[in-house]
Amino acid sequence: GAVVSQHPSWVICKSGTSVKIECRSLDFQATTMFWYRQFPKQSLMLMATSNEGSKATYEQGVEKDKFLINHASLTLSTLTVTSAHPEDSSFYICSARGGSGETQYFGPGTRLLVL
Amino acid sequence: GESVGLHLPTLSVQEGDNSIINCAYSNSASDYFIWYKQESGKGPQFIIDIRSNMDKRQGQRVTVLLNKTVKHLSLQIAATQPGDSAVYFCAELPGDYKLSFGAGTTVTVRA
Repeated sequence: GAVVSQHPSWVICKSGTSVKIECRSLDFQATTMFWYRQFPKQSLMLMATSNEGSKATYEQGVEKDKFLINHASLTLSTLTVTSAHPEDSSFYICSARGGSGETQYFGPGTRLLVL
Repeated sequence: GESVGLHLPTLSVQEGDNSIINCAYSNSASDYFIWYKQESGKGPQFIIDIRSNMDKRQGQRVTVLLNKTVKHLSLQIAATQPGDSAVYFCAELPGDYKLSFGAGTTVTVRA
């Protein structure tokens, strides 16, 4: 149980294009989903928290117009990197938490390379 | 600000030996802690958790110890196997339900 998937697993795009990453909870309803960014050999950095049906809460320093988050259902959240630039290249990981549970389960991550 | 940190960035252990990974936390308001394992190119995988009203919890080959007096958390892996090679993160959960991760310890298992 508690499986979280991400799609795509990796993506290469040209600078200036937008990229959408999907995060799905496969066997539970995720009332809250989290989006993280991770650089090589570093820890996870929380970007934003999204609750189903409401606007995402962004961490300080994260541009909400740059990283659009939608959590339209209890099993799906999307992160759209708009007008991507090479500095946006990173490993993006989502996690999901169900109901009143505290444990977060992570997706496998999406590696983004912007050329 | 308060943060979760790990004592050592790397740990090399002989296959079959026991591993101990340490973590120090500073947020006294945290009441829930999790250990995650992250293999190269993958997302973090839940290993074991512990609440602040406990000082020890055991899983399959893993044990987490919590010492609230000195704000110290450790993960013990029994009979370490090559598949245990990964980066291990401790994470604490203060009241706002946002996990705070430590820097990670890279565990390398020698054959």
